[in-house]
Amino acid sequence: AQSVTQLGSHVSVSEGALVLLRCNYSSSVPPYLFWYVQYPNQGLQLLLKYTTGATLVKGINGFEAEFKKSETSFHLTKPSAHMSDAAEYFCATLFGNEKLTFGTGTRLTIIP
Amino acid sequence: EAGVTQFPSHSVIEKGQTVTLRCDPISGHDNLYWYRRVMGKEIKFLLHFVKESKQDESGMPNNRFLAERTGGTYSTLKVQPAELEDSGVYFCASSLGLGRSSYNEQFFGPGTRLTVL
Repeated sequence: AQSVTQLGSHVSVSEGALVLLRCNYSSSVPPYLFWYVQYPNQGLQLLLKYTTGATLVKGINGFEAEFKKSETSFHLTKPSAHMSDAAEYFCATLFGNEKLTFGTGTRLTIIP
Repeated sequence: EAGVTQFPSHSVIEKGQTVTLRCDPISGHDNLYWYRRVMGKEIKFLLHFVKESKQDESGMPNNRFLAERTGGTYSTLKVQPAELEDSGVYFCASSLGLGRSSYNEQFFGPGTRLTVL
């Protein structure tokens, strides 16, 4: 069965520093891949997605992710963290059906 | 355009009681999904409606959970009787019915936090 693994349930970075949230997937065939963000008291919001085509995907709020088939990874990055980026981030995959499969989430804290 | 809405936002009940969660999808969305996140765990799929029909209910934990979508609009998820392990956040999502050859982006509601004491 397909799955995603997020390394680090909590990540802290200083304001202005690089944000790197890790996600690895397990699938014999490249799946669709997503990053969702949940701000406090809000629903899950799609940050970006990889379906086909270009492997470097740009999303909202300056985030981007690169699909690397050789590493089965889809890490999320942002060059410079902002206080408003504090939230919980979820990597997810979709393959062959309508069910999203999520990782356990990474809570991002921004240090002033 | 209104997003996916869920009611209530929070519910605290005692073990053995019944709770009904409601989800209103985005207008015109044929697909409706329920997911659940138990504390500290991943968000897990529960079931998928296409209009009023259950397309996939493979994630439903047991027969204490009953989901309905009468008329193909809003959906309810009833837990009866509730157990301690049912505590968690229940998310609803909806998407357009573009067909299986197209990717249907799922739009999520804010979730209902259920606490069973």
